[in-house]
Amino acid sequence: DSGVTQTPKHLITATGQRVTLRCSPRSGDLSVYWYQQSLDQGLQFLIQYYNGEERAKGNILERFSAQQFPDLHSELNLSSLELGDSALYFCASSANPTGSEQYFGPGTRLTVT
Amino acid sequence: DQQVKQNSPSLSVQEGRISILNCDYTNSMFDYFLWYKKYPAEGPTFLISISSIKDKNEDGRFTVFLNKSAKHLSLHIVPSQPGDSAVYFCAASARARTASKLTFGTGTRLQVTL
Repeated sequence: DSGVTQTPKHLITATGQRVTLRCSPRSGDLSVYWYQQSLDQGLQFLIQYYNGEERAKGNILERFSAQQFPDLHSELNLSSLELGDSALYFCASSANPTGSEQYFGPGTRLTVT
Repeated sequence: DQQVKQNSPSLSVQEGRISILNCDYTNSMFDYFLWYKKYPAEGPTFLISISSIKDKNEDGRFTVFLNKSAKHLSLHIVPSQPGDSAVYFCAASARARTASKLTFGTGTRLQVTL
């Protein structure tokens, strides 16, 4: 158990809908990262927050947004969902913004029908 | 553009033998490299890392080798055990003072047979 929690574990929704994925980092970790893993793909970095501030952005679509709250939990919002958004979404955390040793949650499996 | 490549999608090794997983990268700005292990229905688990100022790092049965001139790293597991059967991801980072992101390879599925 990495100490990173993600909810929900599974999510099934229809195209055009909006969903919110939630992540709680390990106790004491200030940095949160979101990754997407599509079928047979490696993990693709989406976005990083550190202590509430956005620090780095990857291949995140404009339809997606994220935020980190004062209690350090983070939410990833996905809107106008398309079939291609079906994937595993992982959250990771680290103690500091340059912490390359990131600890991953179990992921949320999103299925868009 | 795949900056981190794991060209072997799968590898099968007998229990007790050495497993060697390979990874190549193209971005010369990468200065930190990691290996993660992933079981089905779980998130990746950090295994071992190496900074670009080193060429070898060892932790128990796991050793990572880095060849900067060839832009190549490898993970050696010896002896291999059935519990090592998983997907292994190589990752790289170009660390900045205020941010960090990992670029992952597509993974190698290791099967350790009895």
